[in-house]
Amino acid sequence: DVKVTQSSRYLVKRTGEKVFLECVQDMDHENMFWYRQDPGLGLRLIYFSYDVKMKEKGDIPEGYSVSREKKERFSLILESASTNQTSMYLCASHGAVPPYEQYFGPGTRLTVT
Amino acid sequence: AQSVTQPDIHITVSEGASLELRCNYSYGATPYLFWYVQSPGQGLQLLLKYFSGDTLVQGIKGFEAEFKRSQSSFNLRKPSVHWSDAAEYFCAVGAPGSGNTGKLIFGQGTTLQVKP
Repeated sequence: DVKVTQSSRYLVKRTGEKVFLECVQDMDHENMFWYRQDPGLGLRLIYFSYDVKMKEKGDIPEGYSVSREKKERFSLILESASTNQTSMYLCASHGAVPPYEQYFGPGTRLTVT
Repeated sequence: AQSVTQPDIHITVSEGASLELRCNYSYGATPYLFWYVQSPGQGLQLLLKYFSGDTLVQGIKGFEAEFKRSQSSFNLRKPSVHWSDAAEYFCAVGAPGSGNTGKLIFGQGTTLQVKP
């Protein structure tokens, strides 16, 4: 069965802290994605990666960076967390066969105080 | 540019009643189309998908959706709603020809409430 896991379900951090959100998939998928979800705004793409060490900016990359050192793992980094980054963060992945349906992790609810 | 519109932010139906959630998209060709469901505090689960062939697709949990090219729509339906269907539903569109990066555009979501 397809599995995407995220390192934390809930996280509370202080303004200015460096935050790491980790995502691991066990499906050998090439493509991985990070979204943030806010009420009324749906899902917005932060970054995605189509291969190890490859990354591309999504629609809202400001304030975030990513790392993909291994195929199965995709990390989202908040270099200096701010209160406007309080949100639900969702990781997803998909394989190489159309229509490329994405499989999602359970999400991390991040609160920055 | 691609876009997805879910006109209904919130829908309430009685248990046992039929359901239709609307989704309209903007794209120059036939896109890949998806419906996802999200229970409170959870990630998104794929309900069904369309990319070619029969325009009426069946999904999990008794859901179906119909692709109507002339209306640029992909509405989700269920003949009889159960209390456990209360959740948020997202329509998403992908663009064939964008390589295998599989980027999706999501609608804003429709929250379904089920009355006993």
